[in-house]
Amino acid sequence: DTAVSQTPKYLVTQMGNDKSIKCEQNLGHDTMYWYKQDSKKFLKIMFSYNNKELIINETVPNRFSPKSPDKAHLNLHINSLELGDSAVYFCASSQAPGDLYGYTFGSGTRLTVV
Amino acid sequence: SQQGEEDPQALSIQEGENATMNCSYKTSINNLQWYRQNSGRGLVHLILIRSNEREKHSGRLRVTLDTSKKSSSLLITASRAADTASYFCAHNQGGKLIFGQGTELSVKP
Repeated sequence: DTAVSQTPKYLVTQMGNDKSIKCEQNLGHDTMYWYKQDSKKFLKIMFSYNNKELIINETVPNRFSPKSPDKAHLNLHINSLELGDSAVYFCASSQAPGDLYGYTFGSGTRLTVV
Repeated sequence: SQQGEEDPQALSIQEGENATMNCSYKTSINNLQWYRQNSGRGLVHLILIRSNEREKHSGRLRVTLDTSKKSSSLLITASRAADTASYFCAHNQGGKLIFGQGTELSVKP
């Protein structure tokens, strides 16, 4: 009965490949996020969608493209993967944008680019 | 950077002791949140304290907030080995939840 589920959990791929990470939440939340956590555990927001609409688009390379087919799903597609993309990517959701409510995080996708 | 700062970066204590972690931020806030991250897992929301609150309790957790000093602290009382994790504070900045660098807590049995 996972609240926010991400797949895959691990992803090892070669430089230049294109890959996708999927995220689904069954909490009925309106807002979903992608965060990137680097090797020093620094968490940085990448994107946020509210009811399928993009509301936050941080300065990330164009190679990263989020897609939200419905408010329960937020996927992340990455083109032309680079070594520096290696990190743990977390999906999260909240009842509404901002900080009125806590966020529920998925368990993360560890991406390793070789 | 609008990122919050936490200190200490790492804390090692014995089971049964109390652990205190501090967080400072740079902007005005409405709320401040604390999260826990176990190794290899996602973040878990622990507690949210509003800007008009000074202290909040949840089980063995006590959070304080001093908006004049732009700082918050998380106290875990009677720590257990299972409390070993990284702890992050987070606050809203322009509609984005910004996380501190985290405190890595190790509780030795």
